[in-house]
Amino acid sequence: GESVGLHLPTLSVQEGDNSIINCAYSNSASDYFIWYKQESGKGPQFIIDIRSNMDKRQGQRVTVLLNKTVKHLSLQIAATQPGDSAVYFCAVPGADKLIFGTGTRLQVFP
Amino acid sequence: NAGVMQNPRHLVRRRGQEARLRCSPMKGHSHVYWYRQLPEEGLKFMVYLQKENIIDESGMPKERFSAEFPKEGPSILRIQQVVRGDSAAYFCASSLGQGRSYEQYFGPGTRLTVT
Repeated sequence: GESVGLHLPTLSVQEGDNSIINCAYSNSASDYFIWYKQESGKGPQFIIDIRSNMDKRQGQRVTVLLNKTVKHLSLQIAATQPGDSAVYFCAVPGADKLIFGTGTRLQVFP
Repeated sequence: NAGVMQNPRHLVRRRGQEARLRCSPMKGHSHVYWYRQLPEEGLKFMVYLQKENIIDESGMPKERFSAEFPKEGPSILRIQQVVRGDSAAYFCASSLGQGRSYEQYFGPGTRLTVT
């Protein structure tokens, strides 16, 4: 079955720096990937997605990179702000449900 | 507010009591998913329902847990005879379905504490 894992449980960055959050997946047949942001006490919020026919997708201050060869994707946040502090999850669809990774906690310090 | 609504937001139950968690999907959505999140962990799928039908309950424990999504009213996740291990955040998500089940919108969650 599909499993999704993250390399680092906690990432601390200084305000204004760029953040990179990584995610590994196991099913080479996965063709769609989603990043969610979960702030304390709230439900997951969609950030950005990418399909397997793309290597890169950009949003507002966020970029997702997909490396299908090594089954790895990353979320890059430019000019990290205090409001970016949250837990970030990657997720892949699996038979009508989403399979989430463990999550990376992003801490932004001044 | 047209988003997914869950209530209660916080629920405290003693061991052996019943917990009922409610979820109203986004307007126009007829597909509901329940996930459980233990502290410092990711969300784990429990059950997927459409109106009056359970489509996939592969992630739900066989005993004490049940879910429904009636023709009228919210979806309900019911936990009977709760134990301390049931303490978690329970999230509901909804989607349009119809091949877009991966576009799921999440509610704020219900945090269940079993004492």
